Amino acid sequence: LAKTTQPISMDSYEGQEVNITCSHNNIATNDYITWYQQFPSQGPRFIIQGYKTKVTNEVASLFIPADRKSSTLSLPRVSLSDTAVYYCLVGDRNAGNMLTFGGGTRLMVKP
Amino acid sequence: SAVISQKPSRDICQRGTSLTIQCQVDSQVTMMFWYRQQPGQSLTLIATANQGSEATYESGFVIDKFPISRPNLTFSTLTVSNMSPEDSSIYLCSVEEVAGRVQNIQYFGAGTRLSVL
Repeated sequence: LAKTTQPISMDSYEGQEVNITCSHNNIATNDYITWYQQFPSQGPRFIIQGYKTKVTNEVASLFIPADRKSSTLSLPRVSLSDTAVYYCLVGDRNAGNMLTFGGGTRLMVKP
Repeated sequence: SAVISQKPSRDICQRGTSLTIQCQVDSQVTMMFWYRQQPGQSLTLIATANQGSEATYESGFVIDKFPISRPNLTFSTLTVSNMSPEDSSIYLCSVEEVAGRVQNIQYFGAGTRLSVL
């Protein structure tokens, strides 16, 4: 299973764009990249998933370079309510492999 | 997306007792998962529970300590047996959504915060 590395923590201010990068050097051909968000006292919540290039939804964008050895979660114009832990998971569920939650990135948005 | 309800949301228990955590889903799902999360830490998978079969436990977790039931496609329980203070943690259940996606994603309950004295 691909191992992921993320910054332990990041600070930002309201209204800024936040980019959280995840490294996954040994990503396999069929692996997908999935990001979850976890607020205090809640379970993780799915944000976005992608395989290559760029994926965008109403919450975030996910940028994946051609070599797929890293990915960047982009949160536009963050607010205080975006303060949470963000987890990057890499793997192939269709192959029956459970994805592993790494350490995550603790994002603190300040006023 | 699936809606998951966990009970209790929190509990304080005495050493040596057992606690059963319930997980109810608003739709039928094949696979349910149980995780443990120490405060400030990441999630660790305890076991996978499929309806009609024995749960599959991850390394470091055993059935005698964490028995799991899965009587139907919308419900599961996790029991934390013979508790010690080291079992103090947050326990979460999750389900997978399959339809309409290339890769399955998980939906989580809010968790059960357990403190063992």
